[in-house]
Amino acid sequence: SQKIEQNSEALNIQEGKTATLTCNYTNYSPAYLQWYRQDPGRGPVFLLLIRENEKEKRKERLKVTFDTTLKQSLFHITASQPADSATYLCALLMYSGGGADGLTFGKGTHLIIQP
Amino acid sequence: NAGVTQTPKFQVLKTGQSMTLQCAQDMNHEYMSWYRQDPGMGLRLIHYSVGAGITDQGEVPNGYNVSRSTTEDFPLRLLSAAPSQTSVYFCASSYSGQGAWEAFFGQGTRLTVV
Repeated sequence: SQKIEQNSEALNIQEGKTATLTCNYTNYSPAYLQWYRQDPGRGPVFLLLIRENEKEKRKERLKVTFDTTLKQSLFHITASQPADSATYLCALLMYSGGGADGLTFGKGTHLIIQP
Repeated sequence: NAGVTQTPKFQVLKTGQSMTLQCAQDMNHEYMSWYRQDPGMGLRLIHYSVGAGITDQGEVPNGYNVSRSTTEDFPLRLLSAAPSQTSVYFCASSYSGQGAWEAFFGQGTRLTVV
């Protein structure tokens, strides 16, 4: 089965710096890789997705890269702010012969932006 | 447009009791799923449905039943609650537009089994 590893349980970054989060996966490459944000007591919220044939995707201060050779995605938040503090989840969309089998999530990285 | 609505938000059950967690979406998404989230374990898929009348098992289906009689509703039934089912449960719906499967999550149900 697919295994997803996110680089650390917690990451402390100083405000204004770039935060970089890592998502590594085993086995076969997914068609899509997604990133979600989760705040305490809330459900995850979709941020970005990147397709297997894309190298990079940007949205405002967010950037995602996807390296199918390394089986890795990097998630960057530039000019980080305390409001960016949250848990960030990486998710892979799995397909089988019958179609989409659902999203497999990593355990998440708890990002803390310190003023 | 309410998105994905889960009820109840909190629930305490005694071991052996049964209950149904409700999930409804108003976005006409064909795909719906249930996850449980435990500390240190991340989100794990319980059951999912690719359309009305079609359901399938995810990673951790034991002790749970689902049905999908309409596009909007996807209830999760706990047959005989056990302390190991203490968790936060999330329902999600997705659409396959351009194959992206962006998931929209409910606010979660915090379940405690004593």
